[in-house]
Amino acid sequence: ETGVTQSPTHLIKTRGQQVTLRCSSQSGHNTVSWYQQALGQGPQFIFQYYREEENGRGNFPPRFSGLQFPNYSSELNVNALELDDSALYLCASMINGGTSTDTQYFGPGTRLTVL
Amino acid sequence: DQQVKQNSPSLSVQEGRISILNCDYTNSMFDYFLWYKKYPAEGPTFLISISSIKDKNEDGRFTVFLNKSAKHLSLHIVPSQPGDSAVYFCAAQWSGGYQKVTFGTGTKLQVIP
Repeated sequence: ETGVTQSPTHLIKTRGQQVTLRCSSQSGHNTVSWYQQALGQGPQFIFQYYREEENGRGNFPPRFSGLQFPNYSSELNVNALELDDSALYLCASMINGGTSTDTQYFGPGTRLTVL
Repeated sequence: DQQVKQNSPSLSVQEGRISILNCDYTNSMFDYFLWYKKYPAEGPTFLISISSIKDKNEDGRFTVFLNKSAKHLSLHIVPSQPGDSAVYFCAAQWSGGYQKVTFGTGTKLQVIP
C-alpha cells in the first residue's frame, strides 16, 4: 500500500475524445510524475510536476497535459485521443527533498482503452 | 531508442535457488539505477537501487551489481521464494536533473515451489 490512489481503474473512450485521469498522492508529496505503460513495455515518462509547475517532460505531444493541485492531487489530460494512447497510465509521487534520487511511490494505474 | 534493455522477457527458477535478472543500458549519463517489482493490478514498487559510485548494493535477499564499463547491472535474489513471482523492471536516471526515470521492458519472474 503506497498511499497513492488513481481513478478511474478502467476507462473506455473513442478516438478523438478527451480524457482526464486523476491521482491522489500522500500528504506532503510535492512532486508527481505520470507514466504511460503500453502492453509489453516498461513505463514511459510523460512529465513531472513540482509544486504545481511542470518541471520536466518526456517525448509526448502537447495534447498530453497535466495539473497539480495544492491538496496533493493531480490530473493527466489527453486531448484528441488516438488508438495508440491505449495503455496503463501510472502516477508516481514523492517528497522532493532536493535529492533527485528520492523514492517514487506508484499508484495502481488507470487502464485506458481507445476504440 | 531503448536506452534500458532487459533482454529476457521471462525467467523460471526453483524455490530456494538464485534468481539473476539482467539489464543493460546505453546512456552514459545515467548514474543511478533502480529495480522495481510489479504485481498484477498494482503499480511498480521500489525494490533496491545503486549509485554509479558503487558496484554492489545489498538489502536482505536482494543484491544489485553494477558494471559501469559494460553498462550492465544485475539483480540477484537469494534464496528465491514463490512470493517473488512478479515482473521486475530495471530503471535508470541521471541524478543531476529532475527525476525522469527510464524503464526497461521488464522480466517476468516465476518462482516454482
